[in-house]
Amino acid sequence: GAVVSQHPSWVICKSGTSVKIECRSLDFQATTMFWYRQFPKQSLMLMATSNEGSKATYEQGVEKDKFLINHASLTLSTLTVTSAHPEDSSFYICSATGQGISGANVLTFGAGSRLTVL
Amino acid sequence: GQNIDQPTEMTATEGAIVQINCTYQTSGFNGLFWYQQHAGEAPTFLSYNVLDGLEEKGRFSSFLSRSKGYSYLLLKELQMKDSASYLCAVRDSNYQLIWGAGTKLIIKP
Repeated sequence: GAVVSQHPSWVICKSGTSVKIECRSLDFQATTMFWYRQFPKQSLMLMATSNEGSKATYEQGVEKDKFLINHASLTLSTLTVTSAHPEDSSFYICSATGQGISGANVLTFGAGSRLTVL
Repeated sequence: GQNIDQPTEMTATEGAIVQINCTYQTSGFNGLFWYQQHAGEAPTFLSYNVLDGLEEKGRFSSFLSRSKGYSYLLLKELQMKDSASYLCAVRDSNYQLIWGAGTKLIIKP
């Protein structure tokens, strides 16, 4: 149980375009979802925390107008990278926690989305 | 400030035992997690400690000492597939996860 599906796994886009990444909890209700960014050979960096039905809380230094997060339901959160630039190229990972997860103290991660901006 | 320290890289031999240490200084403590991350993949959960002592799960064990702000992950009977990064994370008093930079473990035949 406690599966998080993240899509797409890989995306290549042109500079200036927007990219949407979806994160779905398949067998539980995710009251809280987290979005991370990871550059090569570096650790996870928390970008924002989103609670279902409310605005996301962004970490210091993360532009909320550039990284739009929507958590409209208990099973879906989306991250939209707007007007993407090459420096936004990174590995984006979502994770979720909520009711129904076996072992309530575990964060379940999606498989990640590798974004390359040309 | 809040800080998690773990070695950057370790090397061990197949079949041996390796211990990866993690020390932390956080505002409050609500549990410590260990995750394994293979290159290009998302982290996978290994262990969770909230009370002092050793938690054993197959070849992997995790130890916690809250008074010392210290944890270790012990990997036994190392296999080549154990080559990965191991991330230590602590949940603080606000239930925020503070991540270490990860320890890259290299297993040699």
